[in-house]
Amino acid sequence: ETGVTQTPRHLVMGMTNKKSLKCEQHLGHNAMYWYKQSAKKPLELMFVYNFKEQTENNSVPSRFSPECPNSSHLFLHLHTLQPEDSALYLCASSHNPRQGYGYTFGSGTRLTVV
Amino acid sequence: QKEVEQDPGPLSVPEGAIVSLNCTYSNSAFQYFMWYRQYSRKGPELLMYTYSSGNKEDGRFTAQVDKSSKYISLFIRDSQPSDSATYLCAMSAYGGSQGNLIFGKGTKLSVKP
Repeated sequence: ETGVTQTPRHLVMGMTNKKSLKCEQHLGHNAMYWYKQSAKKPLELMFVYNFKEQTENNSVPSRFSPECPNSSHLFLHLHTLQPEDSALYLCASSHNPRQGYGYTFGSGTRLTVV
Repeated sequence: QKEVEQDPGPLSVPEGAIVSLNCTYSNSAFQYFMWYRQYSRKGPELLMYTYSSGNKEDGRFTAQVDKSSKYISLFIRDSQPSDSATYLCAMSAYGGSQGNLIFGKGTKLSVKP
């Protein structure tokens, strides 16, 4: 493990379901991120939290709802997803979101929307 | 024009070969350049990090940045089967949008024993 733990590792959900992805980091980092990784596409930044305050929302549809109760935990709440939302969702953390390096990623949640 | 271009491969080489992986970019404001390695079913892990232009060496890995050409490279010497993974280049500008690492699509590398 890298110090960033994501659960569940795999998730299959119907388009009408509601589910949540969880991320936890034990590195003492102040910033946490959600990224989406789709086949044949670059990683896409979804959300940034710095000291548990959301600082970036990269034009993500409202069916994705992040929550950051403290600097160590990050959630991504999912509801009424579409099949094109199937992807690997990666959580990452770092000390300083403005430095642009030193990101530690979790192993991701492989999401399939049916 | 995409901000970061990276040949997705796949790239297959015999064990012991020298591997060259490359990315080009268009944004001259980028100052931080990174290479991440991603094994199957894992998240990306930071392999090399370079600030501005120049070379950086770490064991069998060498990262090069040529800002004048907007071109970065990762060289792997004496490649091993354990190097088989997808290699992602990433870059960012200091003080830019928070968390906005710009990634390439990744190059899938296979090192055959």
